[in-house]
Amino acid sequence: EAQVTQNPRYLITVTGKKLTVTCSQNMNHEYMSWYRQDPGLGLRQIYYSMNVEVTDKGDVPEGYKVSRKEKRNFPLILESPSPNQTSLYFCASSLSRPDRDSPLHFGNGTRLTVT
Amino acid sequence: AQKVTQAQTEISVVEKEDVTLDCVYETRDTTYYLFWYKQPPSGELVFLIRRNSFDEQNEISGRYSWNFQKSTSSFNFTITASQVVDSAVYFCALSERYSSASKIIFGSGTRLSIRP
Repeated sequence: EAQVTQNPRYLITVTGKKLTVTCSQNMNHEYMSWYRQDPGLGLRQIYYSMNVEVTDKGDVPEGYKVSRKEKRNFPLILESPSPNQTSLYFCASSLSRPDRDSPLHFGNGTRLTVT
Repeated sequence: AQKVTQAQTEISVVEKEDVTLDCVYETRDTTYYLFWYKQPPSGELVFLIRRNSFDEQNEISGRYSWNFQKSTSSFNFTITASQVVDSAVYFCALSERYSSASKIIFGSGTRLSIRP
């Protein structure tokens, strides 16, 4: 089944404790992206990747890191999480760049709480 | 700069009523794409439709229809004879063809509640 898989679904952590949210897609998509969803703000892009070893900042990259060593995986890393990073996170992928008419396929989301 | 505005934060209607969700966008590009996504209470995001800027033809899919008007920069979504299963948050989104940032901008979403 074609899908984007995120893990974990729920994560509670403490300030400053490094964490990684994994994302994997099995559709051979070139484009992958991370979003955070906050009430009243919709989805805001954190980082995106056009292909292996090609990543770039989105609108709210501060406090996050990503890597794209393989086409299928795009982990989101929080080196030192803070309470303002408490949010619902979505990984997404598309066959090619979104501006080439490719819809995004989303993972099921990761709800992160930082205390 | 890109911008997507969904002015309706929440809408509540009784089942079987028709309801329209508004989406207004801003872009300086002549080539762009518009999308609608649905987020049901279970939380996942589901793609509904995409439309490119050269295709102003309205689209109908069952009870769903979309009205794209470049003159008013709007891409509105209408649900006819709404059902409880339509209850969800709906997001409108925009991407630009020649954007160097290559990203999609989402509106803040409209929460639709259908009452039985």
